[in-house]
Amino acid sequence: RKEVEQDPGPFNVPEGATVAFNCTYSNSASQSFFWYRQDCRKEPKLLMSVYSSGNEDGRFTAQLNRASQYISLLIRDSKLSDSATYLCVAFSGGYNKLIFGAGTRLAVHP
Amino acid sequence: EAQVTQNPRYLITVTGKKLTVTCSQNMNHEYMSWYRQDPGLGLRQIYYSMNVEVTDKGDVPEGYKVSRKEKRNFPLILESPSPNQTSLYFCASSSNRARETQYFGPGTRLLVL
Repeated sequence: RKEVEQDPGPFNVPEGATVAFNCTYSNSASQSFFWYRQDCRKEPKLLMSVYSSGNEDGRFTAQLNRASQYISLLIRDSKLSDSATYLCVAFSGGYNKLIFGAGTRLAVHP
Repeated sequence: EAQVTQNPRYLITVTGKKLTVTCSQNMNHEYMSWYRQDPGLGLRQIYYSMNVEVTDKGDVPEGYKVSRKEKRNFPLILESPSPNQTSLYFCASSSNRARETQYFGPGTRLLVL
């Protein structure tokens, strides 16, 4: 079983739609969590951190449920420019590494 | 401009021909890391370095070597490349105080024939 699992998609949504991605992790010792965004053939870039209390950055909302070992990302009012692959990431300080999910691909169409 | 650079960006080589992919960062970061990305598998860590002369294996170190003689540089060495090392490679760096927030280089696409 992969340490971080995501639905690979693709999610095809029209502009203006709300879309949600889910992610589960298997290592309960993971300390912190993130969503990274990766455009086609480009490097991953940090989108936002994920907190148990939930956090919002404009149209993006991230949530962590430690009891269920579940992470989510909600995108409201989707834009064409949101088309990308979204990577769910867990950080393990004890092992000094980021553990990446394989990514969920989002395609927003006009 | 704060950045991580990698060279070359694209490389086609043949089995057994030694190659080096360079990585350099200008942010004075202590922590540097190499990943490979393959379809359906996500990014997997190859090696990482906590500081100069301190390196350690990641999840998939077989067939790779690294060195950290200077803080800004962290080259990835493939002594005898094989076709299963065909992949997209990313270098990343961060401060040790914020290892969870890593800055990635633009990637090196390697094809081993």
